[in-house]
Amino acid sequence: GALVYQYPRRTICKSGTSMRMECQAVGFQATSVAWYRQSPQKTFELIALSTVNSAIKYEQNFTQEKFPISHPNLSFSSMTVLNAYLEDRGLYLCGASGGVEVFFGKGTRLTVV
Amino acid sequence: GDSVTQTEGLVTVTEGLPVKLNCTYQTTYLTIAFFWYVQYLNEAPQVLLRSSTDNKRTEHQGFHATLHKSSSSFHLQKSSAQLSDSALYYCALSGNSGTYQRFGTGTKLQVVP
Repeated sequence: GALVYQYPRRTICKSGTSMRMECQAVGFQATSVAWYRQSPQKTFELIALSTVNSAIKYEQNFTQEKFPISHPNLSFSSMTVLNAYLEDRGLYLCGASGGVEVFFGKGTRLTVV
Repeated sequence: GDSVTQTEGLVTVTEGLPVKLNCTYQTTYLTIAFFWYVQYLNEAPQVLLRSSTDNKRTEHQGFHATLHKSSSSFHLQKSSAQLSDSALYYCALSGNSGTYQRFGTGTKLQVVP
């Protein structure tokens, strides 16, 4: 079956530092990977969509300078939160797709102190 | 573009009574799929229901939903709410050939004795 592993599951970083989270697709080829953020008391906002052999498309209010994404092959993607501050805390979710259905990881919960 | 609207932020229902969570959408995509996700405290969302067929009822774990393209709706219903149904529920639209999900704002369901 198709599975998506996301790690770390939880992380704490100091304000102003950066942290990297990773997403691994198993059992299918992840031609697209989308990253989402759920801030406290809010819904899941789409940060960006990365499709192999295409430019990464960032949603309004999210930039490559703040959330650089790597999608080097059909099974792996990573996203870094640069200069994390309090407003960046929340649950970050990756959703990988082979073009038919999106499979989600269990998320990386980021706490900023 | 596309968007998903969930009008109720909080729905409180007595155990054993029916419940309905509303979901409407706007999309420019021709081929679309819809999902209901359930999210329990401190966990990632899980798929509860999915549908891409107009006017076909989909059921799972006592919940059901029918996609109505004529009214752009995909409401979630259950005939008898259980205490264990208390959670956050998100309606989502699958965009761009299933490469990402667009989530609604979410509805918190509280089932009380």
